[in-house]
Amino acid sequence: ETGVTQTPRHLVMGMTNKKSLKCEQHLGHNAMYWYKQSAKKPLELMFVYNFKEQTENNSVPSRFSPECPNSSHLFLHLHTLQPEDSALYLCASSQRLAGGRDIQYFGAGTRLSVL
Amino acid sequence: AQTVTQSQPEMSVQEAETVTLSCTYDTSESDYYLFWYKQPPSRQMILVIRQEAYKQQNATENRFSVNFQKAAKSFSLKISDSQLGDAAMYFCAYTRGQMNRDDKIIFGKGTRLHILP
Repeated sequence: ETGVTQTPRHLVMGMTNKKSLKCEQHLGHNAMYWYKQSAKKPLELMFVYNFKEQTENNSVPSRFSPECPNSSHLFLHLHTLQPEDSALYLCASSQRLAGGRDIQYFGAGTRLSVL
Repeated sequence: AQTVTQSQPEMSVQEAETVTLSCTYDTSESDYYLFWYKQPPSRQMILVIRQEAYKQQNATENRFSVNFQKAAKSFSLKISDSQLGDAAMYFCAYTRGQMNRDDKIIFGKGTRLHILP
């Protein structure tokens, strides 16, 4: 148990569905992240939230919509996805301090399959 | 730009033997941190070991140790007495030491480690 919990663990959805991924961290961290992990590709950083403010959006398509209602919760809302969006989606959190290091702790991920 | 390179996509080692995973990185910074993360089949990325660039002494965590060669920008992970539970994908990662708001952790592509019984 690393203190970062992701639900659901597995999700199968059609291209017209709307679903949400949830991440919750119990570590008192101030930053949260969404990563996409596809086979044979490096981890892709999608979104970063520092103190609930989105500070990074790496050209992610608008069919992925993040939401960070508080420093402990992070959502990824999905709609009209494509089959190539099938991947493992990892959430991470860290305590980011100005001028300090960033050690990220990860959840177990959500395995998403888009049919 | 900083980069992290893991040149071994897959490796295998006999149980109880020692294996070394390679990682090289490129940076112009003098203050930074290096990490090894492990991702077992359960998928949870777990921090295995970290090294501060200003420390000359190599980090050690039980059976895991690193060989940090700052001049060569090399950061290899040595696993001694390999166990079946060590089978996983291993990622090397880098962050600047004095991070600002826009900095992010840089991951390598990973090395899949197989443990042979």
